[in-house]
Amino acid sequence: GESVGLHLPTLSVQEGDNSIINCAYSNSASDYFIWYKQESGKGPQFIIDIRSNMDKRQGQRVTVLLNKTVKHLSLQIAATQPGDSAVYFCAESHGNKLVFGAGTILRVKS
Amino acid sequence: GAGVSQSPSNKVTEKGKDVELRCDPISGHTALYWYRQSLGQGLEFLIYFQGNSAPDKSGLPSDRFSAERTGGSVSTLTIQRTQQEDSAVYLCASTQGPGPYEQYFGPGTRLTVT
Repeated sequence: GESVGLHLPTLSVQEGDNSIINCAYSNSASDYFIWYKQESGKGPQFIIDIRSNMDKRQGQRVTVLLNKTVKHLSLQIAATQPGDSAVYFCAESHGNKLVFGAGTILRVKS
Repeated sequence: GAGVSQSPSNKVTEKGKDVELRCDPISGHTALYWYRQSLGQGLEFLIYFQGNSAPDKSGLPSDRFSAERTGGSVSTLTIQRTQQEDSAVYLCASTQGPGPYEQYFGPGTRLTVT
């Protein structure tokens, strides 16, 4: 989800469980969507992307789902590991630019 | 296969001083983006360079901010007369071609204005 001010939404999951991070986007004309992972003190790292002509795309342990009807994007992480703890950002294309959501904190409990 | 690099990694400056932040994109990447990330926030687009085209400066927050890209490679973001609200992490990203696709980010420069 989106954040208000400094209070980013936080998802806490048990190690080994699946995680689902959600994102609402605003531009119905967006044709490209992307998820990034950002660990503390580092730049965002590409996870997975999807174009608007698809509704699902799978990578290694990650799946992105796109629902254009309700302008909703989700990232599913299978068998969540402690190394998955980070802030996750969705982004949508606006022309040649990406517009980022405010992020969701994922905390993995061992 | 070096990634995107940025320097300095940290910069502390006094209010009113000018600062320059540098970005070295991945070799051969024609597109370069600058973003600003305030504490606990998402990324705010600042400026976009693509090849020899005129840059898209639509995200620059004021005329104190400017950027250039020399020889289609290294870019410098300059902030004049810094203010405390300029404190943030400044991130640079590059892509292989035009369009926003799969941007590769540098580690960022943390700017603190005292």
